[in-house]
Amino acid sequence: NAGVTQTPKFQVLKTGQSMTLQCAQDMNHNSMYWYRQDPGMGLRLIYYSASEGTTDKGEVPNGYNVSRLNKREFSLRLESAAPSQTSVYFCASSEMRGINQPQHFGDGTRLSIL
Amino acid sequence: DQQVKQNSPSLSVQEGRISILNCDYTNSMFDYFLWYKKYPAEGPTFLISISSIKDKNEDGRFTVFLNKSAKHLSLHIVPSQPGDSAVYFCAARGQGAQKLVFGQGTRLTINP
Repeated sequence: NAGVTQTPKFQVLKTGQSMTLQCAQDMNHNSMYWYRQDPGMGLRLIYYSASEGTTDKGEVPNGYNVSRLNKREFSLRLESAAPSQTSVYFCASSEMRGINQPQHFGDGTRLSIL
Repeated sequence: DQQVKQNSPSLSVQEGRISILNCDYTNSMFDYFLWYKKYPAEGPTFLISISSIKDKNEDGRFTVFLNKSAKHLSLHIVPSQPGDSAVYFCAARGQGAQKLVFGQGTRLTINP
């Protein structure tokens, strides 16, 4: 019963490098989300995908791109990493819109940009 | 503009006593509220939720209260146990919306 799986768990990048964070869920959820967590700021939504084939910007989308590869997988790409993107990144999934269902989170990817 | 605020960064409670975590919101369109618990190096785990049509929801030791007129919700943990030591986030969602808005979190420490 894996739930939401994120890879990698840790990564160190140099400024300007690119990277893709992977996320997969096995709960047959329609909606998936990417958040970042920074000290004192809670979780902020980067991008989300309400259903397969759709993606929308969240609160802090600049510097990121996403791909909803299929119903299970939702990836987050940093094209040119910057030190300000040092953070912990969480992927989440939930049932479809209109139903009061919680989001379920993965254990995060800790990303450091030097 | 912080729409969901947890004004206490930390809270320390003695084991066996009641823990009360507070959360304020500004958007009157929010209609679904959740509490998440987070241990270090893990993702947030859903704890309990409440719809705006209710003012109380209970699940074992955890009770969430919603005061819509004050735009305030609280989480009560009774009795508090050492395993409750974690960071607690409140979150809110607007009617028909997809996105959750999170507060900054409160670190709860339960002392033996």
